[in-house]
This record gives sequence, structure tokens and C-alpha cells, in this order.
Amino acid sequence: EADIYQTPRYLVIGTGKKITLECSQTMGHDKMYWYQQDPGMELHLIHYSYGVNSTEKGDLSSESTVSRIRTEHFPLTLESARPSHTSQYLCASSEGGQPARSYNEQFFGPGTRLTVL
Amino acid sequence: KNQVEQSPQSLIILEGKNCTLQCNYTVSPFSNLRWYKQDTGRGPVSLTIMTFSENTKSNGRYTATLDADTKQSSLHITASQLSDSASYICVVSDRGSTLGRLYFGRGTQLTVWP
Repeated sequence: EADIYQTPRYLVIGTGKKITLECSQTMGHDKMYWYQQDPGMELHLIHYSYGVNSTEKGDLSSESTVSRIRTEHFPLTLESARPSHTSQYLCASSEGGQPARSYNEQFFGPGTRLTVL
Repeated sequence: KNQVEQSPQSLIILEGKNCTLQCNYTVSPFSNLRWYKQDTGRGPVSLTIMTFSENTKSNGRYTATLDADTKQSSLHITASQLSDSASYICVVSDRGSTLGRLYFGRGTQLTVWP
């Protein structure tokens, strides 16, 4: 069982609200990721981090922002939520170092199901 | 373009029966291939991982195969159980970046009926 946690698990909010999705891992992993997943669709990488103070945008454009002040914590923020942001958001982490050594094993959290009305 | 295609999109089988899920990929340069199980409303959990030199890997009732020449993989589930109902996702990693980018299929939604 991977030690990666996400809160809240479910969130229903109104348009225009600011929200922060929390993600924490206790495995000491350097790399962390945020994915967005719609029903029946593949996961899309929206943000990733190599380590503290490192954040990058992923393949899918997102209006969200992330921060990495501590190794174990990688929150995602939406300044003004819209219905188009309704989706499942999955956080993951993996070891640092050479990808070949760790096989890029990513451990996923349980996800946050966000609904914006 | 790096892609991962899975078939079938959905599958319904009776408890106790076997099934095989397919995955075709075009990811290059190839590093490894994983099969994940994702229960509804949960995050994916890794079932098997195979590198270029491996052509089969088992994890209990799950057996994955890999043909790196044809870029195809399969996941065989034997003696299915109701708890096997989930989405099974094929994930391919490239070795062309330090990030170790993952490419996800859309998954096969498996439903096991009693």
C-alpha cells in the first residue's frame, strides 16, 4: 500500500471559488505529479516536480498552479474554479535518480473528485 | 507520436472465467510497460512491470506478456473474481527523458458478474 494521501476525496463547489487540493507522501520521493482524468479517458499529466522548489507544467494545459515547498507536500490550487474544471485529480510520486533504476514506479493517491457547479 | 491503445474498451465476464486484455503501443524509445488496476473512484495500483528483455510476468492470477518487436502486450486474468471488476490501464514509459514520462491507455473496463 503506497503512502500517498489526497484530501479532500470529494469536493463540490460553486463557480469562482478558490480551491486547493492537498497531496502528501511519506515515502521521501523526490518526484511528484498531478494528473487529470475524465471518465473513460486516459490520465493527462498537468504538473510535475523534480523536488523542492521545482515545478513544471505537464502535457495538458491547466489553469491550476502548484507549489513544492516541502518534499512531502505538493498542493494544487485553482484561483477561480469553473465548471470546465470538473474532473478527477490524481496525485502521484516516484523516486528520484536515474529512471532506469527505479523503473519510474509511480505510486498514486486515491484521487480528488472535483465538481464545479 | 507516442500512443498507447487498449482493447476492448469494455468487457463483461462471468465469475470464474478467464479473460485477456490487449495493449498496443508506439512509445519510443521504450523503457518499460506496466499494467495498473484502477477501482472506481480510486487511484491506479501497479499489477506488473516488464522491461524490454522480459516477455512474461505474473502476479497471482494476473499474467502479463510483452512482445517488444510487435509492441504489443496482454494481461490475462484467470479464474476471475467479483473484485476484479475495475479499469485495467496499460502504461508505457520512455527512456528518452529524465522525467521518465508515462503514456497511459484509456483502459479496459472489466465487469465480473456473479
